[in-house]
Amino acid sequence: NAGVTQTPKFQVLKTGQSMTLQCAQDMNHEYMSWYRQDPGMGLRLIHYSVGAGITDQGEVPNGYNVSRSTTEDFPLRLLSAAPSQTSVYFCASSPSFLRGGPADTQYFGPGTRLTVL
Amino acid sequence: AQSVTQLDSHVSVSEGTPVLLRCNYSSSYSPSLFWYVQHPNKGLQLLLKYTSAATLVKGINGFEAEFKKSETSFHLTKPSAHMSDAAEYFCVVSDRGRGSTLGRLYFGRGTQLTVWP
Repeated sequence: NAGVTQTPKFQVLKTGQSMTLQCAQDMNHEYMSWYRQDPGMGLRLIHYSVGAGITDQGEVPNGYNVSRSTTEDFPLRLLSAAPSQTSVYFCASSPSFLRGGPADTQYFGPGTRLTVL
Repeated sequence: AQSVTQLDSHVSVSEGTPVLLRCNYSSSYSPSLFWYVQHPNKGLQLLLKYTSAATLVKGINGFEAEFKKSETSFHLTKPSAHMSDAAEYFCVVSDRGRGSTLGRLYFGRGTQLTVWP
């Protein structure tokens, strides 16, 4: 059981390049999400998914796309990278997402450190 | 709307002395509250969580937090600091209401804990 895995760990892009940050979990979790962490800002939600085929925007979705074709994978795509997207990106998953029920603990991946020049 | 305020961006203590990290929250519904810890260049690890059971919550590594509804606070404490406690700590509230924000996590900006020998 690997938990939540993220690749790559580090990435440097030039402005305008595109790339995909990978996130996978092997715990059969319904809920997955992407956050970015910037100094002094805590973590901010980019996009999330409550199950395969369902995604929605978080606080800071601009410049990012997501899809959820399987329960296990939740990739984050940067279509045209900008220096403002330099950050550390965390993927997280949670075991259940019952509407109106209690929130469950989210399990975080190790993060991807992205620099956009 | 949900929000979290961590009252101190930096806290410094001597090894063996008590730790107090302060957190106030705002929530439209009965919240779930969490404390996460992040060691340098690592992902986030759950310390403890409150989900409307006992108001005094015990976590890992000797940490505990008390939910005080009247004060809208969820302060984190530890009786005796250890060098290994030096890290960044995040107070988090989860939206347990209904609608599109259900299950989202809202992070405080973090408190950096320094432990002096």
